Amino acid sequence: EPEVTQTPSHQVTQMGQEVILRCVPISNHLYFYWYRQILGQKVEFLVSFYNNEISEKSEIFDDQFSVERPDGSNFTLKIRSTKLEDSAMYFCASSGVQGRFEAFFGQGTRLTVV
Amino acid sequence: SQQGEEDPQALSIQEGENATMNCSYKTSINNLQWYRQNSGRGLVHLILIRSNEREKHSGRLRVTLDTSKKSSSLLITASRAADTASYFCATALGTGGFKTIFGAGTRLFVKA
Repeated sequence: EPEVTQTPSHQVTQMGQEVILRCVPISNHLYFYWYRQILGQKVEFLVSFYNNEISEKSEIFDDQFSVERPDGSNFTLKIRSTKLEDSAMYFCASSGVQGRFEAFFGQGTRLTVV
Repeated sequence: SQQGEEDPQALSIQEGENATMNCSYKTSINNLQWYRQNSGRGLVHLILIRSNEREKHSGRLRVTLDTSKKSSSLLITASRAADTASYFCATALGTGGFKTIFGAGTRLFVKA
C-alpha cells in the first residue's frame, strides 16, 4: 500500500541551527501539507502546497519556515534558525485529485531543539 | 471556541461497548473529516462527510453531521482494544479548502 515516508524519524538540533525535514509523498498525489504537533497538544496546520506553490499557510508559518519540492518526489520543510519552541512532531501529508480532503499522513519527524 | 472542538476530551469504555465522540465547529464547511491517531504516530483518515450529507457509515463507524448546529458525531460500535487512540475531527478552510484545521481530539481508551 502506498504511504508517505518521512526522514529522519528523530532530529536533535542546536538552537539557531537550520533543519530540513524530508518527506516523500505518495507518488500520484498533487496536494502536500505540513503539520506540527507539540507534545500533548493538537495537530496544527502549517502549510499546503499545490502546483509548485504555497496554497495556504498559517500564522505559525513565518519567514523562518520554507517549503520546497526540489524534484518530482521529495517535499521538504526548512526551518532556518530553530528555536526551542519549534520542538514538536512534524507531519507531512499528501492527497490526490480524487480524494483531495482525504490526506495520508507520514509517521512524523520528532524535532528536538536544545 | 476553536474551529473543531471535540468532546469528551477523554473517554474510557469496556470492549464491546459503543463510543460516541462529538465535534463542534464555527464556520460554514464543505465537508468534515474524522481522523485517528495512535500514540505518537501519524494520523489515519477514517471518514469524510460532505455538508449535504447527514449520516455516513464505514464498517463499525457511523458519522452524523448537523450543519444547523454546526456539529458532528462519530460513533464506534462494538469497540475493541485496538480502537484505543485519539480521534480528531477536521475541517478544511481557506480558499479551495487547503487549510485543514484539527480539533483538540478525544482520547479513547478501550479496556479489554
